[in-house]
Order: sequence, then C-alpha cells, then structure tokens
Amino acid sequence: GQQLNQSPQSMFIQEGEDVSMNCTSSSIFNTWLWYKQDPGEGPVLLIALYKAGELTSNGRLTAQFGITRKDSFLNISASIPSDVGIYFCAGGNAGGTSYGKLTFGQGTILTVHP
Amino acid sequence: DTEVTQTPKHLVMGMTNKKSLKCEQHMGHRAMYWYKQKAKKPPELMFVYSYEKLSINESVPSRFSPECPNSSLLNLHLHALQPEDSALYLCASRRQSGTSGPDTQYFGPGTRLTVL
Repeated sequence: GQQLNQSPQSMFIQEGEDVSMNCTSSSIFNTWLWYKQDPGEGPVLLIALYKAGELTSNGRLTAQFGITRKDSFLNISASIPSDVGIYFCAGGNAGGTSYGKLTFGQGTILTVHP
Repeated sequence: DTEVTQTPKHLVMGMTNKKSLKCEQHMGHRAMYWYKQKAKKPPELMFVYSYEKLSINESVPSRFSPECPNSSLLNLHLHALQPEDSALYLCASRRQSGTSGPDTQYFGPGTRLTVL
C-alpha cells in the first residue's frame, strides 16, 4: 500500500543534541500523527496535528503540519537517553469510507549516546 | 485516559493450536483496529471495526478471524497459523467522529506472538 517517505531512516546522536525528522507524501492528509515506539511495546502518541500550518509542542518535542498538507516534521530538543526508540509519522483522513485508516512512514530509529 | 489494553502480553503457539488475542478500551471509541507489526517496520493494518461492524479486511488470510462482541472489546481468533505469522499484534482504537474532528488512533501495548 501507499507509504510516506520518512527521513532519516536512522540517527546516531550525542545526548543534548537536537533532532529533526520529517515525512513527505504525494497525497494530502488532514491529520498528521507522530508516534514513538520502544522495543516490544506499542506505539505511543506524541503529537497530533489537525490543521495545515499548525505548530504544536509537547515538552521538548515540536511538530508542524505542512502548509501543503503533504508533509510534517518533528523536532526533539536537548535529547536524552530515554528518547531512544523508533519514531513513526502517520497521515490520515477522517470521514467517508476511510474509517480513519492511517498511512505510516517507515520509521526513524534514534540512538542517543550518553 | 487514553488506555488500550491487550492480553496476553506474550503468546507461543504451535501451528495446530487455536488461540485468541483480546483488546479492550473504555474510552467510548467506536472504531477499533488490528495491526500486525514485524521488527523495525511500521504497523500493517489487518482489520477495522466501526460501530462493531467489520468495515475493512485488508485481504487477511482466514486463519485470522476477528470478532467485536461489543463496543469495548475486540478479539482476534487464531487457528492453524504459520511461523511467518510470528509478529507483534497491535490493537488500536479511535473515537470515530465521522467527517470532522480528531482522527487520532491510540495503540495498545501489543501481543508478541511466536508460532512454532
């Protein structure tokens, strides 16, 4: 099925550094979601974006819904070891026969060195 | 509260066994989802239930049989699985707000399934 182009695929950073990842799509979405997944656990919702141009923060995390509705980015400031995990973006469209179906990016594997 | 619970946490089964996975949410959400996830890959949608009716089946083999007994519960019945079915099985729920409003899915912790 359709997938989002998420980059980078992996990142190796030092504790305290800032992180940026993004997702792009050939299709328009009216919702962008960012999830973090730890090994053996389910994805945990970090930030949800519902309007084009929206910029939302959650602690050290900031995410934006692109104006074209075809992209989104997630920034993490001052990374800490517990930021380690896989980050997934997901785009969705409410209503109609979509039943809230999400299209996922391939994930960004983040490693933080103390 | 945005909690989705799943049981069991881990399951090991033989190819001739019959087992079931269970998912529960008490957020009043009316859409529930089953996903299959392989290591370091994104979740793959299997089934969607909307208002307790099966709305999407992503061409999943019949050895996986979903059931939605009520608006809070979702089961996945497993029979005659293959080793390649070993994966993390995730349940998710969504408010199901129609044509507008938040479209957010909340995931459970998953069941790690191993088929021998």
